[in-house]
Amino acid sequence: EDQVTQSPEALRLQEGESSSLNCSYTVSGLRGLFWYRQDPGKGPEFLFTLYSAGEEKEKERLKATLTKKESFLHITAPKPEDSATYLCAVQANSGYSTLTFGKGTMLLVSP
Amino acid sequence: KAGVTQTPRYLIKTRGQQVTLSCSPISGHRSVSWYQQTPGQGLQFLFEYFSETQRNKGNFPGRFSGRQFSNSRSEMNVSTLELGDSALYLCASSLGGQGSLGYTFGSGTRLTVV
Repeated sequence: EDQVTQSPEALRLQEGESSSLNCSYTVSGLRGLFWYRQDPGKGPEFLFTLYSAGEEKEKERLKATLTKKESFLHITAPKPEDSATYLCAVQANSGYSTLTFGKGTMLLVSP
Repeated sequence: KAGVTQTPRYLIKTRGQQVTLSCSPISGHRSVSWYQQTPGQGLQFLFEYFSETQRNKGNFPGRFSGRQFSNSRSEMNVSTLELGDSALYLCASSLGGQGSLGYTFGSGTRLTVV
């Protein structure tokens, strides 16, 4: 059974204080690992897809990396508008597989 | 290009009633998946439809059902509502072919059962 564990559950940062969010996963063959951002009362918004160990992707202040067992979402010099819940999900490489999500990390960036 | 549209945005229902939620996928997307999101359990997979057929099913009771129409629009139904069914119900669409990657989510329907 595919499993995704995210840590920490919640993280409070000062504006400009860089940090990383962790996503540990077990999957029977990885088709893709996804990061989403979710604002309160809204649906998840796609950020990145990572396919293989060693891959990195960047978007503004966010950088996602992938190993065989973990993914990290690095946030550099965050701003208050980066406050949201960040979700990690995996899709197995077997037929018509669906997404398995972690419970998310709630990030609060204070000015 | 229009995104995934879910209606209604908010619903309040009484225990024992039934409810139907609607989802219109991105044009050209043939797969529609439904997820339930609660603070304690996070996002949990309900079911997936592709070309009007249920292709995957999560671990939910039979009170939860769905269907997909020929235009790929999908509905999910919950019968005999319980207080624990209060949640954000999210719909996601994808191209859906074998090897298809990634999903786009709608804004969800917030269901409150009283």
